[in-house]
Amino acid sequence: GEDVEQSLFLSVREGDSSVINCTYTDSSSTYLYWYKQEPGAGLQLLTYIFSNMDMKQDQRLTVLLNKKDKHLSLRIADTQTGDSAIYFCAENRDDKIIFGKGTRLHILP
Amino acid sequence: AAGVIQSPRHLIKEKRETATLKCYPIPRHDTVYWYQQGPGQDPQFLISFYEKMQSDKGSIPDRFSAQQFSDYHSELNMSSLELGDSALYFCASSGNEKLFFGSGTQLSVL
Repeated sequence: GEDVEQSLFLSVREGDSSVINCTYTDSSSTYLYWYKQEPGAGLQLLTYIFSNMDMKQDQRLTVLLNKKDKHLSLRIADTQTGDSAIYFCAENRDDKIIFGKGTRLHILP
Repeated sequence: AAGVIQSPRHLIKEKRETATLKCYPIPRHDTVYWYQQGPGQDPQFLISFYEKMQSDKGSIPDRFSAQQFSDYHSELNMSSLELGDSALYFCASSGNEKLFFGSGTQLSVL
């Protein structure tokens, strides 16, 4: 089946902005999500966007949605060491959440 | 605020044994999901329940079964365990189309 695609790794210097990109598959997805997973921990719902929006901002997080291209991005401003984690893009497909492979965000000092 | 509670946090079993994982959803959430996350993998959907009835089934082996009880907690039963079943098992509950996950049960099969 079709996959939710995202790049596997991203390295960013502390204080810079991180941008994690994702391509999803189901144009009828009502919500699109970003989950954060720290090592050995569970999945934390970081933010989400309703499909009729094209942008959502929440403190240091900005989500951009291009529905025509099925492209979702997460921007983290002023990246901190505590942002080091795996970030999963996810879509709501057939009443369940389907995840991408995750992007591992590495923070450089 | 109450979160999704899973137990146990860690579980070690030997091949061919059985395991039972428990999940207590967020109060008033009507849907429970089970996901399996292998090492370095994305979470894979196993099964879901809506109002105590199975609502969807994913890549769940026949050796696994699950149910949701009258108090809405759910249990995932795993029999004839294999080495490849070693993974992090997440339960999630949903409200308003947003899934909230528990901390997971780390199952190690030796």
